[in-house]
Amino acid sequence: AQSVTQLGSHVSVSEGALVLLRCNYSSSVPPYLFWYVQYPNQGLQLLLKYTTGATLVKGINGFEAEFKKSETSFHLTKPSAHMSDAAEYFCAVSDQSPGNQFYFGTGTSLTVIP
Amino acid sequence: DTGVSQNPRHKITKRGQNVTFRCDPISEHNRLYWYRQTLGQGPEFLTYFQNEAQLEKSRLLSDRFSAERPKGSFSTLEIQRTEQGDSAMYLCASSLGVFGTGGRGGYTFGSGTRLTVV
Repeated sequence: AQSVTQLGSHVSVSEGALVLLRCNYSSSVPPYLFWYVQYPNQGLQLLLKYTTGATLVKGINGFEAEFKKSETSFHLTKPSAHMSDAAEYFCAVSDQSPGNQFYFGTGTSLTVIP
Repeated sequence: DTGVSQNPRHKITKRGQNVTFRCDPISEHNRLYWYRQTLGQGPEFLTYFQNEAQLEKSRLLSDRFSAERPKGSFSTLEIQRTEQGDSAMYLCASSLGVFGTGGRGGYTFGSGTRLTVV
C-alpha cells in the first residue's frame, strides 16, 4: 500500500528565506513521487516529479526535491522564498498500477512573511 | 492545449437533489480521472477512464455516484440523492498514457467543481 505523510500542516517563512517542506512516503514498490501546488480556488499544478534516474529533480519556480530511498523521503526546497510562493503544497506517490492513481498527503500551507 | 475544463465551478444544492458535473480533458489525453478533495485534506481517488472504458473505481464511489465518458472525450460525474457529506471539491485530471511508459508524467488538473450541499 502507498501513503504519504507531510510533516507540518502549516509552515511560515520570511521572504528570501529557505523553504523546506517535508514529505515521507510508504510504498511497496519503487515509487513515483510528485509535488503539486494549489492556489486558492484552483486546481493542482505540477511542480516536479521523480520517476527514475537522477534523485535530485528540479521543477518550476525554483523548486527542487531530492529522492532519498534510505529515508523514504522526498522533501521540497527552494533557496529563497517569494511572496508568490504562498499556497498549499501536496506531495503524492503513485503506485505504478495500471490505474496510475495518486495517493496525496494532507498538504502543507506555506505562508511567506514580508 | 487549452487545459482541463470543469463546469460548473460552484454548485449549491439541497440535500436529496441530484447533481451532475462535467469535465473536458485535454483533447489528446486518453486517460481521465476524478478525485474528491475535502477541506484540509489532499485529493482522494474516485475513478478513472482509459478512453471510454471505466477501469477502476474507489470504495469511496458509493452507488449514488456514477461517472461516464461516453465517447472517450468529456466525462460527467453524477451524484444522486446528495448528502451533506458529499460537500467537497471535485477535481478532474487527464493524462496521456502512463508516465514511465511514454506518458508526460503527472496529471493535468482542472480547477475543480466545488459542491456545497445544504
